[in-house]
Amino acid sequence: DGGITQSPKYLFRKEGQNVTLSCEQNLNHDAMYWYRQDPGQGLRLIYYSQIVNDFQKGDIAEGYSVSREKKESFPLTVTSAQKNPTAFYLCASSIGTGESYEQYFGPGTRLTVT
Amino acid sequence: DAKTTQPPSMDCAEGRAANLPCNHSTISGNEYVYWYRQIHSQGPQYIIHGLKNNETNEMASLIITEDRKSSTLILPHATLRDTAVYYCIVRARAISNFGNEKLTFGTGTRLTIIP
Repeated sequence: DGGITQSPKYLFRKEGQNVTLSCEQNLNHDAMYWYRQDPGQGLRLIYYSQIVNDFQKGDIAEGYSVSREKKESFPLTVTSAQKNPTAFYLCASSIGTGESYEQYFGPGTRLTVT
Repeated sequence: DAKTTQPPSMDCAEGRAANLPCNHSTISGNEYVYWYRQIHSQGPQYIIHGLKNNETNEMASLIITEDRKSSTLILPHATLRDTAVYYCIVRARAISNFGNEKLTFGTGTRLTIIP
């Protein structure tokens, strides 16, 4: 089955530690995205990547870093500089073909930092 | 992107049609209306999108007013599994095959299907 995989589903870290969230897709999509969701809120864009070896900051990139070495993979690192890292993190991908370019989302990783 | 306004919550009886409204009075001519839903603690799921004409797929129907300032998502026979937060989003038409434009999610409508 084609889709997006995020692992792990739940992640716990101590404050001051960097942590990397995994996102893999086998949909052959060029574009990939990372969003953050806080309780009762909508999604906010952290980073996105149009093609391999290229990525752009979204609305809330401070304290995060990404890489896109392979088309299938777009890992997100939450650094110790992120002041409030506890959140639900969602990865998505899309391929645009004219008027239809819906984004496909993974199941999410819930990160708790204490 | 144009902003959208949705009611924070709605209830619907199981088996009835659920009609979810969305106002997007500042929508421009090249912006599409997209609907996604998010079941608790899962990733959002694409439902449907449209530009001017009404659209229907296996999940739902989308009715867009003639002036395009509002739309309604219709789930024809709601089931308990349709309980979710529904997001209405307006987005400019993609101009490349990369599909790289971001989606701007508001807080959506929390739809509860009542048995």
